[in-house]
Amino acid sequence: QVQLQESGPGLVKPSQTLSLTCTVSGDSLTSGDYYWNWIRQPPGKGLEWVGYISYSGSTYYNPSLKSRLTISLDTSKNQFSLRLRSVTAADTAVYYCARDDGRGLGYWGQGTLVTVSS
Amino acid sequence: DIQMTQSPSSVSVSVGDRVTIACRASQDINTWLAWYQQKPGKAPNLLIYAASTLQTGVPSRFSGSGSGTDFTLTISSLQPEDLATYFCHQGNIFPFAFGQGTRLEIK
Repeated sequence: QVQLQESGPGLVKPSQTLSLTCTVSGDSLTSGDYYWNWIRQPPGKGLEWVGYISYSGSTYYNPSLKSRLTISLDTSKNQFSLRLRSVTAADTAVYYCARDDGRGLGYWGQGTLVTVSS
Repeated sequence: DIQMTQSPSSVSVSVGDRVTIACRASQDINTWLAWYQQKPGKAPNLLIYAASTLQTGVPSRFSGSGSGTDFTLTISSLQPEDLATYFCHQGNIFPFAFGQGTRLEIK
């Protein structure tokens, strides 16, 4: 059974860098045509697609975040990561990692709340 | 960018009701449309992909239809466990996008 688990600081100061990791178990990051996504949800609001990295390492980012965002793979640890620079209060959200196998986002992590505040 | 617009934003329903949620894309996305159910404090759960294909394990009272720009999620007979927020999602043309959500509430 595939499982995803987000980890990282729950509190980040404004102007600093938000760093999250998604650890995947039950499958390999590169075992199939998978796309490893980050999605976020501000408290009480809807879902926003952040970006993804493919099994081959190709990345696509939401243009609204592209200048501040990096998503990377660590195949040795079976993890993928998100780094969002120069954060503001508008980046406060629950961040989810999720896997897309071409048939939708079928596996999600439980989500982690990141608050941007001094 | 493609905009995904859901209607209604919220709806009051009763157990046993037939419920229909609409999703409109601002441009043609063929059938690259998925539906998700989200309960409070939980991650979204994939219900339907490719506009009308039921994800494994999802009850058959859920169905999806549509292509191009107009799509529908239908719950044939609402059960208490279906009270949740539902999102549509286009995952074909960058940047991917979600609808704003439709919240089902008890009448």
